[in-house]
Amino acid sequence: QQQVKQSPQSLIVQKGGISIINCAYENTAFDYFPWYQQFPGKGPALLIAIRPDVSEKKEGRFTISFNKSAKQFSLHIMDSQPGDSATYFCAAVTGNQFYFGTGTSLTVIP
Amino acid sequence: SAVISQKPSRDICQRGTSLTIQCQVDSQVTMMFWYRQQPGQSLTLIATANQGSEATYESGFVIDKFPISRPNLTFSTLTVSNMSPEDSSIYLCSVKKGVLNYGYTFGSGTRLTVV
Repeated sequence: QQQVKQSPQSLIVQKGGISIINCAYENTAFDYFPWYQQFPGKGPALLIAIRPDVSEKKEGRFTISFNKSAKQFSLHIMDSQPGDSATYFCAAVTGNQFYFGTGTSLTVIP
Repeated sequence: SAVISQKPSRDICQRGTSLTIQCQVDSQVTMMFWYRQQPGQSLTLIATANQGSEATYESGFVIDKFPISRPNLTFSTLTVSNMSPEDSSIYLCSVKKGVLNYGYTFGSGTRLTVV
């Protein structure tokens, strides 16, 4: 059973546009929701994370929106740049258990 | 956050052979994790390696196929044994530093191709 569902699988955005990636989870015991950015040939790097007692967290151009009642959270990348082109993974964490989404391949067109 | 050095970064191996992947951390960490990322897929946890005890394997992964060592608090190895083309993946180690959930860092991975 997939604990975290991520969409879309791929996304193409014009430079300067907003990229939005969505995740939904099922287990209410999750207590931490990170997003990871992965470039080809590299390991995932923590981008931004949120705890369920917060509805939104912003770091620079990256924002997580969290809807606890709907069990959904999303990553918004404002003013998307070609350098943002990467694969993005959401995750839900409980204890030491990570449940990763299936990933979104983002391409930002100049 | 911790800095992880993972070796080798990539390798091409013959079917039936074994490869040992090393994960070195720049500071002592309690928990180390090994993940597999198959081409175009998400990350799947293979096992959790704690110093001084046997590794804990996830469903679908067995010690005979993926033996793990954790000799100290800064180092671990994962061996992929008797390899087949289906083992072609990226293997990543990850560490948790501290007790807070957001203290997780991933290594850059080992891209394994089995021919």
